[in-house]
Formats: sequence, structure tokens, C-alpha cells
Amino acid sequence: AQSVTQPDIHITVSEGASLELRCNYSYGATPYLFWYVQSPGQGLQLLLKYFSGDTLVQGIKGFEAEFKRSQSSFNLRKPSVHWSDAAEYFCAVGAKDSNYQLIWGAGTKLIIKP
Amino acid sequence: EAQVTQNPRYLITVTGKKLTVTCSQNMNHEYMSWYRQDPGLGLRQIYYSMNVEVTDKGDVPEGYKVSRKEKRNFPLILESPSPNQTSLYFCASNGPGYNEQFFGPGTRLTVL
Repeated sequence: AQSVTQPDIHITVSEGASLELRCNYSYGATPYLFWYVQSPGQGLQLLLKYFSGDTLVQGIKGFEAEFKRSQSSFNLRKPSVHWSDAAEYFCAVGAKDSNYQLIWGAGTKLIIKP
Repeated sequence: EAQVTQNPRYLITVTGKKLTVTCSQNMNHEYMSWYRQDPGLGLRQIYYSMNVEVTDKGDVPEGYKVSRKEKRNFPLILESPSPNQTSLYFCASNGPGYNEQFFGPGTRLTVL
């Protein structure tokens, strides 16, 4: 069955520290991969996406993600977090010919320590 | 400004009282969808629409209806709400292919 796993429900990091949020997927077809961010009380905003090509993709707000086919992973990274990065982060997977439907992970809540 | 709007933002109702949550987008997008968000479950798609008069069930359609009479509007209808439909609802739209989905601000629904 198709699924997306975000193993960490919560992650706490200190301001200025590096960040890595994990995402693993199980999908039969070639995946299209996304990271979205949801700030408190807000809708979701696209951070970055991977369709093909270079497996390291850059996004907005200083985020990047790396697609590793052998590990079925698409982890999100940021070298130095800011207090404004506190939010919930969602990984999503789609595939060609699936009517553009996305399968979503359960989310990882990022807490920033001052 | 390109946006997806939802109304109302907050709604408290009672079991069995029909309600409609409106969704409108100004980007001329063909694809629209409704999600519900529950803690620990992420987003689950309720219904989606590929274009006017074309709608299809998502993963959790039971208890919901939708319509797509115009390209810009995609209302979500709960004919007889029940407490298990208490949730945060998001409408989203996007253009052709796997382009960015634009999300509305959400509607927090409580069914007593």
C-alpha cells in the first residue's frame, strides 16, 4: 500500500542549530515529492518539490531536501533554524497518472528553543 | 492577490444540522480538493474535482458532498453532521499537473 512516514511527531532544536526532518515513502511508481509547512493557525505553504533531475532541491526560507531512491527517503534540512521556523512540516508524495492526488505524512511539529 | 478563501473560518454546530463550507479560488485553477486534518493523521482527502461538473471521492468521502458548478467555487456540504466530523478542513486548488497546491486558511468545525 502507498504510504508516507514521518517518524518524528515532534522535534525540538535550539535556535541556530541545524535541522533534519525525516520522510520515508512507499510508492510503486516514480514519486513526485513535496514538503509543505503549516504555521500556527495558517494553511499550508509549499517549501519545495522534487519531480526529476538533481536529487538535491532548494526551497524557500533556506530549506533544502535530498531525494534518495535507494532509501525511499526525502529528508528536509536547514543549516541554521530561526525562531520563525517553528511550525508543522508535512511530507507528501504523488505519482504520474494518479489524478494529482497526494498522500500525506502525519506531520512533524518543530519546536525552537531560544 | 492569488488566493483560496474559505468561509466560515470557525463553526460550531449540532448533530444533524446541515451546513455548507464555501471555497473559492481566483487563479482559474481546474483542480480543487477538500481535506480534513486531524492530529496524528495528517491530511486526508475528502473529495476532489478535476474540472467543472467533474468530482470524485478521495480517501474519506463518507458523510460529505461536494459540487462544482463553476470553476472558481467548490463547496463542501455536510448533510447531517456528526461529532466524528469535528475537524480542521482545508480547501486547495492547483493548476495542471503537480504544480503547487494553494491552500485556504482552514475551517475549524465542531459538531456537538
